[in-house]
Amino acid sequence: QSVLTQPPSASGTPGQRVTISCSGSSSNIGFDYVSWYQQLPRAAPKLIIYRNYQRPSGVPDRFSGSKSGTSASLAISGLRSEDEADYYCAAWDDSLRGWVFGGGTRVTVL
Amino acid sequence: QVQLVESGGGVVQPGESLRLSCPASGFTFSTHSMHWVRQAPGKGLEWVAVISYDGTYKFYAESVKGRFTISRDNSKNTLYLEMSSLRDEDTAVYYCAGDQVEKTIRGDAFDFWGQGTVVIVSA
Repeated sequence: QSVLTQPPSASGTPGQRVTISCSGSSSNIGFDYVSWYQQLPRAAPKLIIYRNYQRPSGVPDRFSGSKSGTSASLAISGLRSEDEADYYCAAWDDSLRGWVFGGGTRVTVL
Repeated sequence: QVQLVESGGGVVQPGESLRLSCPASGFTFSTHSMHWVRQAPGKGLEWVAVISYDGTYKFYAESVKGRFTISRDNSKNTLYLEMSSLRDEDTAVYYCAGDQVEKTIRGDAFDFWGQGTVVIVSA
């Protein structure tokens, strides 16, 4: 059972908008920044959102992040086939004194 | 560009030890916190440990505390993970990851990742 809760799956057709939630508590999401990672099949994870909503250079603006209280979300707009991957949220947990990940959400492009 | 190359993985028996290495290049290693993150077969990501840029601060996941030791040699631009008393549940791909923000104690995010090294613990 992960400290951060994500839905196991999400899907959409090409061009649609998909949103992934990440629910935590006051000691993690409510305490610090949230980051998001994309993991394509058989590849290492890649940072796509940091500090709640910031995008690293090279990440398309179709990816956006937000945070409110103890929850965060990742939105993918204009869904494309290459977005099919697993997505993870992460945050520092000050009670555990360690980093925590969500269980991951598999996005399928129908 | 940033490059992290993990090595040292292999097949070991329960109770044995293993040392992972992660030489880094393409950035000023000595000013960035570094992490180990693992992924068991078919499972999600699990953070293992982080070390501050100067090695002063170290934090561990509860699942590895007392068995794993993270360290770094800034003169060699290399991150290490010493693993002892290995268990079946330690079987995973182990990634080293770095934080882009300079001089943090426990990191800000996992900005760059290596390709991982496989550790299999089996009798």
